[in-house]
Amino acid sequence: EAGVVQSPRYKIIEKKQPVAFWCNPISGHNTLYWYLQNLGQGPELLIRYENEEAVDDSQLPKDRFSAERLKGVDSTLKIQPAELGDSAVYLCASSLGYYRSGANVLTFGAGSRLTVL
Amino acid sequence: SQQGEEDPQALSIQEGENATMNCSYKTSINNLQWYRQNSGRGLVHLILIRSNEREKHSGRLRVTLDTSKKSSSLLITASRAADTASYFCATSAGNNRKLIWGLGTSLAVNP
Repeated sequence: EAGVVQSPRYKIIEKKQPVAFWCNPISGHNTLYWYLQNLGQGPELLIRYENEEAVDDSQLPKDRFSAERLKGVDSTLKIQPAELGDSAVYLCASSLGYYRSGANVLTFGAGSRLTVL
Repeated sequence: SQQGEEDPQALSIQEGENATMNCSYKTSINNLQWYRQNSGRGLVHLILIRSNEREKHSGRLRVTLDTSKKSSSLLITASRAADTASYFCATSAGNNRKLIWGLGTSLAVNP
């Protein structure tokens, strides 16, 4: 089992440039999450998918952030254009989902560290 | 939004000592989880305790939950240098089971 795979691990871009992150969740995990984590802080939810449906995107800054989960498996998170304040670690996580497992236990990827110059 | 508050924010101990960190939350919960995050890595699930449970053990980890005080504690016994990491609590409440995360406790175990 490869776990949750994210790429790229590191990305450095100039402000106003676009950037995209990719996530491959654990096979069979219907629920996928994108989190943002600033240094010294806990994860902050950006978007949660149940299969291919975004069920919670209330914290996603929709003017510049977009996400998709085609076919209910892999997901991409895009920022266009990036701003200085977007520098953070973007974490992807997946879970079986509460109703299948009785609890939302998340498996995280290693994260994608974004630096915007 | 973040509901959980861990304390202390940072903890430094010697190898072999016990480490205790606490998590307080604001609303009624379904369950509470603890995760560990090593530097530069993703979070790893450690243990889950449900609202009707008071204590759980997993290896060197002991978690307690006091719903009357809306607080939980994580005890790591006989700490090792490899336990150096940040520890986060996450609570689940309501019908949508959304996880609410705390700010974390940074633990340093010195050899």
